[in-house]
Amino acid sequence: GAVVSQHPSRVICKSGTSVKIECRSLDFQATTMFWYRQFPKKSLMLMATSNEGSKATYEQGVEKDKFLINHASLTLSTLTVTSAHPEDSSFYICSARQGTMNTEAFFGQGTRLTVV
Amino acid sequence: QQQVKQSPQSLIVQKGGISIINCAYENTAFDYFPWYQQFPGKGPALLIAIRPDVSEKKEGRFTISFNKSAKQFSLHIMDSQPGDSATYFCAARGSGNTGKLIFGQGTTLQVKP
Repeated sequence: GAVVSQHPSRVICKSGTSVKIECRSLDFQATTMFWYRQFPKKSLMLMATSNEGSKATYEQGVEKDKFLINHASLTLSTLTVTSAHPEDSSFYICSARQGTMNTEAFFGQGTRLTVV
Repeated sequence: QQQVKQSPQSLIVQKGGISIINCAYENTAFDYFPWYQQFPGKGPALLIAIRPDVSEKKEGRFTISFNKSAKQFSLHIMDSQPGDSATYFCAARGSGNTGKLIFGQGTTLQVKP
């Protein structure tokens, strides 16, 4: 089956610093990747959609200068949380899809970000 | 119109019982309805999915029932086991919105031994 790997699984950073989360598709080429944020006991909230080689499309209310998304290759997308603050602490999950919008997207294992 | 409403929020079932989780949607452009299982601290994993041209799909102990006219679909877990204890999310995807998924609110299932 298709495998999507996120790194790191957990990260603690100081307030004001930036942190980068990687999302890799290990055995397929991901033309589209999605980034989600999940608060405790809540559903997944889509933050942005990125297509390889293009600028990400952000959902309404998501600050694109705060959450920088890069999808420079068909196997790697990164989410950088810039100038992180405690309210950015959350569980961030990526998913990756190969091909058209009708194909299945596979999820990474998530990254727990804690900003102290 | 983009919402998917899921119920119940939490569910407790005895081992061997049937767990039933329901979802409703409004957007008739949705054409793919997956269910995901998520364990604490992990990403969601696809459990089973259905398209609106069928009314039921079964995979092992998991069955999706789909009612197109009512715009509702449900997940049935037969012979529920303690290992099924997790959070379950329904979702819907429409062909006209870049294929992004709209998730339900989630149901936390606890199966008691």
